[in-house]
Amino acid sequence: KAGVTQTPRYLIKTRGQQVTLSCSPISGHRSVSWYQQTPGQGLQFLFEYFSETQRNKGNFPGRFSGRQFSNSRSEMNVSTLELGDSALYLCASSFLGQGRNTGELFFGEGSRLTVL
Amino acid sequence: EDQVTQSPEALRLQEGESSSLNCSYTVSGLRGLFWYRQDPGKGPEFLFTLYSAGEEKEKERLKATLTKKESFLHITAPKPEDSATYLCAVQAIREYGNKLVFGAGTILRVKS
Repeated sequence: KAGVTQTPRYLIKTRGQQVTLSCSPISGHRSVSWYQQTPGQGLQFLFEYFSETQRNKGNFPGRFSGRQFSNSRSEMNVSTLELGDSALYLCASSFLGQGRNTGELFFGEGSRLTVL
Repeated sequence: EDQVTQSPEALRLQEGESSSLNCSYTVSGLRGLFWYRQDPGKGPEFLFTLYSAGEEKEKERLKATLTKKESFLHITAPKPEDSATYLCAVQAIREYGNKLVFGAGTILRVKS
């Protein structure tokens, strides 16, 4: 089955602009999480959406926001871009059913954002 | 604050030379510890979940173990295709869903 699809794969923006990244999860997966990956900080949790509701949020400023649609597709938005926002933004989906969460996340290949 | 520290930062092995990667963690109640593999230009790929001290999981040349303070990823007779960054992550018992705290990773290079 198709994996997690993220678009765009690469983008370049300038400081002060905003950006929207898109994520299509694996069919049937209802949870979508977003992570930021940088060489200095590694992978950091941004937020998670489940059934169109944000159920977890990391320690990022309000400039970072997201949403999930009824088909489980998700978008994240970063407003007023700063140089430090340059990073690989990874989306991960999982199916949260009954019982113990396995922590098995299926990651996309990411959207690499460069802020000039 | 939950923390994950991985060591070494980088490891170079000859093909067939077994070794171990370390993941030390601090978390107020562990729900699960996870190992992922990440190839350059790709997203992380899930390897294992460990839930309690003493638990072990195996997959091909990889074996993950867990104690109350750390986890080890043992690589037996590695091959060049095992070269990747190995990431360790934890989830606290107070968390639900998929909020994981990742370590910085260990970059493994296996030379033939």
